[in-house]
Amino acid sequence: ETGVTQSPTHLIKTRGQQVTLRCSSQSGHNTVSWYQQALGQGPQFIFQYYREEENGRGNFPPRFSGLQFPNYSSELNVNALELDDSALYLCASSLRTGGTDTQYFGPGTRLTVL
Amino acid sequence: GQQVMQIPQYQHVQEGEDFTTYCNSSTTLSNIQWYKQRPGGHPVFLIQLVKSGEVKKQKRLTFQFGEAKKNSSLHITATQTTDVGTYFCAGSGYSTLTFGKGTMLLVSP
Repeated sequence: ETGVTQSPTHLIKTRGQQVTLRCSSQSGHNTVSWYQQALGQGPQFIFQYYREEENGRGNFPPRFSGLQFPNYSSELNVNALELDDSALYLCASSLRTGGTDTQYFGPGTRLTVL
Repeated sequence: GQQVMQIPQYQHVQEGEDFTTYCNSSTTLSNIQWYKQRPGGHPVFLIQLVKSGEVKKQKRLTFQFGEAKKNSSLHITATQTTDVGTYFCAGSGYSTLTFGKGTMLLVSP
């Protein structure tokens, strides 16, 4: 396996609630990217953190926010949950070397919004 | 923004048949990555192609990157039931990966 872990595995929330998802990077990796994967779709890039700074963002509203900690673990926070936020949330860690990073995905968190 | 399209969306083959999925980007890519996702699982990195016209092989899998670096293909020779899953290509930008919608492969024994 990749050494990337995510918690929780599954989560059920209701509309309007807030959620925090967590990701532990593979040892030695300094970059974390978050993706949303709706059923039957490819992963959609949410944002990336490199050395605790946001380093790129996809087409997601500000209610999607994140953090990266000094140990390079990361959180994804989603406020004011909507039904369409139901998806598999994947984090991927990588080592920024100046070239193109190979990203290693965690098992994901399955979020259901009712 | 960058768009990555994959065809077919779905393919069902008999074990032993070959399989090919195609990936096209709306823009020139710096590189392309391929991933496999088993049902209920997460994407697993297969390979990265960087050079124009590059061809790489992994056992029964052959990956190609087009001369214009806007398209790519994955070919599986003599499929096995263990090849079942969804195959995604992903175009690499500065800090992002743009995934196609994937090709779901079913293999019947």
